[in-house]
Amino acid sequence: EDQVTQSPEALRLQEGESSSLNCSYTVSGLRGLFWYRQDPGKGPEFLFTLYSAGEEKEKERLKATLTKKESFLHITAPKPEDSATYLCAVRSAYSGAGSYQLTFGKGTKLSVIP
Amino acid sequence: GAVVSQHPSRVICKSGTSVKIECRSLDFQATTMFWYRQFPKQSLMLMATSNEGSKATYEQGVEKDKFLINHASLTLSTLTVTSAHPEDSSFYICSARDLAIAYEQYFGPGTRLTVT
Repeated sequence: EDQVTQSPEALRLQEGESSSLNCSYTVSGLRGLFWYRQDPGKGPEFLFTLYSAGEEKEKERLKATLTKKESFLHITAPKPEDSATYLCAVRSAYSGAGSYQLTFGKGTKLSVIP
Repeated sequence: GAVVSQHPSRVICKSGTSVKIECRSLDFQATTMFWYRQFPKQSLMLMATSNEGSKATYEQGVEKDKFLINHASLTLSTLTVTSAHPEDSSFYICSARDLAIAYEQYFGPGTRLTVT
């Protein structure tokens, strides 16, 4: 069974204070690790997909990295508008019907204080 | 690109009635759509996977006769909650897989269902 664990559950940062969110995973044959941002009362917004260890992707103040056991979402000089819950999800080689299913972690709630 | 809409965004219904939620991919074709529910401070739980033109595949513990899913076209899937009860109150979110991008799913804005 695929498992995704995100830490910390909640993180408060001062504006400009860089930090990282962690996503540890256990899957049978990783076929993609996904990062999403979710604002309260909204659906998740796609950020990144990583497929292999050593891969990195960047978007504005966010940078996602991947190893064989975990992924990090680095936030550089965050702004209040970066406040949201960040979700990590994995797709394994043995995902259910259609093999496109994602298993989600519980998320990290990020609050950036001005 | 890759925009998914849901309608309605909020719905309140009485216990015993049925509610239909629509999920549309606006600017791409989606052979596969997924339906999730999310309880407060919890992550997304997959309910079912629907493929255009075929029957949906439900996750263990999800009642297929209660949560009816229809995926009649490449841009529309519907979820009907039949004989709704207060415990069905939740945030329902759909996602769609873009044919042109193999594994990424794009999510709708969600529907808040409250059953009184």
